[in-house]
Amino acid sequence: NSKVIQTPRYLVKGQGQKAKMRCIPEKGHPVVFWYQQNKNNEFKFLINFQNQEVLQQIDMTEKRFSAECPSNSPCSLEIQSSEAGDSALYLCAGLDTEVFFGKGTRLTVV
Amino acid sequence: GQQVQQSPASLVLQEGENAELQCNFSTSLNSMQWFYQRPGGSLVSLFYNPSGTKHSGRLTSTTVIKERRSSLHISSSQTTDSGTYLCALELEGNNAPRFGAGTKLSVKP
Repeated sequence: NSKVIQTPRYLVKGQGQKAKMRCIPEKGHPVVFWYQQNKNNEFKFLINFQNQEVLQQIDMTEKRFSAECPSNSPCSLEIQSSEAGDSALYLCAGLDTEVFFGKGTRLTVV
Repeated sequence: GQQVQQSPASLVLQEGENAELQCNFSTSLNSMQWFYQRPGGSLVSLFYNPSGTKHSGRLTSTTVIKERRSSLHISSSQTTDSGTYLCALELEGNNAPRFGAGTKLSVKP
């Protein structure tokens, strides 16, 4: 069983719509990462948090995404205005000593 | 340049054959982790291996930090081993782990 819970598993949105996905990391994982995996299986780092604070994020995330990781609530990643190129598998991971991934949210933008 | 390189990119085996997957890296790291990704997308951690050799059933992982390489050996492959195998470098601090492009394994009956 995955220690990191992601919802929903599948998400279908129209272009321009908001797309929001959630992640509940394992308790005791102080660092949370979001990755985007494209159809070529390439991983793109999006953003990471340590104890609710953003550590690093890429430019795309800064401009078109909003993300937060509040205490006592799920972490979330939201695309403000979905584009076709955002269709991908979005993976959340928690870092303790090693990295544990959730099962991902597969976003399709039609 | 690419910090993590995996080889081969793809591999086709007959059931029962062995496989050796390689991961080479060009940067210093804290640790190395191997994952198996099912065709549906879920990532399963196989080994957390900062150095040395670890065994788990038919799988063996060996990491040699000073040579900047790690390998994953699969013995007596089964059709259910088919999928993508990924190595990830865990860097110092809390920087995001860096992934290789993966080895896509297909085991034929």
